[in-house]
Amino acid sequence: NAGVTQTPKFQVLKTGQSMTLQCAQDMNHEYMSWYRQDPGMGLRLIHYSVGAGITDQGEVPNGYNVSRSTTEDFPLRLLSAAPSQTSVYFCASSYSNRGYGYTFGSGTRLTVV
Amino acid sequence: GESVGLHLPTLSVQEGDNSIINCAYSNSASDYFIWYKQESGKGPQFIIDIRSNMDKRQGQRVTVLLNKTVKHLSLQIAATQPGDSAVYFCAEIIMWEYGNKLVFGAGTILRVKS
Repeated sequence: NAGVTQTPKFQVLKTGQSMTLQCAQDMNHEYMSWYRQDPGMGLRLIHYSVGAGITDQGEVPNGYNVSRSTTEDFPLRLLSAAPSQTSVYFCASSYSNRGYGYTFGSGTRLTVV
Repeated sequence: GESVGLHLPTLSVQEGDNSIINCAYSNSASDYFIWYKQESGKGPQFIIDIRSNMDKRQGQRVTVLLNKTVKHLSLQIAATQPGDSAVYFCAEIIMWEYGNKLVFGAGTILRVKS
């Protein structure tokens, strides 16, 4: 039982490049979400999903796209990376729509130069 | 607005002492609060939670207190140990149309001196 797995752990991009951050969970959780964490700050919600085929925007969605074709996977796409997207990205999953049982991945540290 | 904030950005305590980390929230409609611990290079880890119909909840060496009158949350760690050194976040659950979202505070750094 791996929990929530994020890849890669580290990534450096040039401005304008695109990439996909991967997130997979093996707990059969319906709810998955992406957060970014900037230095000295808490986590801010980017996008979330309540099940396969259903996604919605969080607090800071601009510059990011998501899709949810399976229960297990919830990739985050950066279409044209900007320095302002330098951050640590966390994926989380939960078994409850009441907020219980959130499990976080170990994060992806992204630097955009 | 929706925000959760912390009073103390850094807290240093002596090993064996009790620690108290405070948090203020602004959304009076929130009914569920969670404390997370985040160690360097790792994702947030659940510590303890509390529903709005409770004032106090105890776990192993940790206690969370909720004062809805002043919208204040605190985390008490008994007999603080070096392994407790981390960043602690409070978070509140805000219900959206399809489910919920976590709103995090900025965090408090806890340093335990041996």
